[in-house]
Amino acid sequence: QLQLQASGSRLVKPSQTLSLTCAVSGGSISSGGYSWNWIRQPPGKGLEWIGYIYHSGSTYYTPSLKSRVTISLDRSKNQFSLQLSSVTAADTAVYYCARGYEKAFDVWGQGTMVTVSS
Amino acid sequence: DIQMTQSPSSLSASVGDRVTFTCRASQSISNFLNWYQAKPGKAPKLLIYAASTLQSGVPSRFSGSGSGTDFTLTISSLQPEDFATYYCQQSYSAPNSFGQGTNLEIK
Repeated sequence: QLQLQASGSRLVKPSQTLSLTCAVSGGSISSGGYSWNWIRQPPGKGLEWIGYIYHSGSTYYTPSLKSRVTISLDRSKNQFSLQLSSVTAADTAVYYCARGYEKAFDVWGQGTMVTVSS
Repeated sequence: DIQMTQSPSSLSASVGDRVTFTCRASQSISNFLNWYQAKPGKAPKLLIYAASTLQSGVPSRFSGSGSGTDFTLTISSLQPEDFATYYCQQSYSAPNSFGQGTNLEIK
């Protein structure tokens, strides 16, 4: 059974870079037909899709974050990563990693809370 | 970008009730509409994809319908574990977008 587990820095200072990794177990990140996504939920707000990367390495980022986001794959470790630069308090959120299949997010990680504060 | 609007924003109901949630897209999205259930501290769970297809393992009391711009999620007989927040999400065009959620509370 596929499982995703996000990890990374829980507290980030304003203007610095947020870095998270999603470890994939029970399946290969190199399998075709899937996208690997990051989604976030600010406190008290709804879900916001950040972007995805395919097994081929192609990416798509939501326009509002595009200038600050990088999603990458590490096939040797079977994981994918999120980097969000120049963070502000507005980037405080629970960050989820999720697998995309048949145009839906069918498997999600538990989510990790990231706080931006000095 | 496509905007998704859910109504109501919150709903109170009792165990055994039939409840319906509504999701409206700002333009036609065919049937590229998914529904998720979210509970505090847990990963969101895919319930319905392609507007009306039940995800494997999801109880049959959940059903979805609609196409174009208007969609509904129905729970035929509420169970205690169903009290949660429900989100719709369009996958017709990038960027993917979610509705703001409907919070289902116990009456």
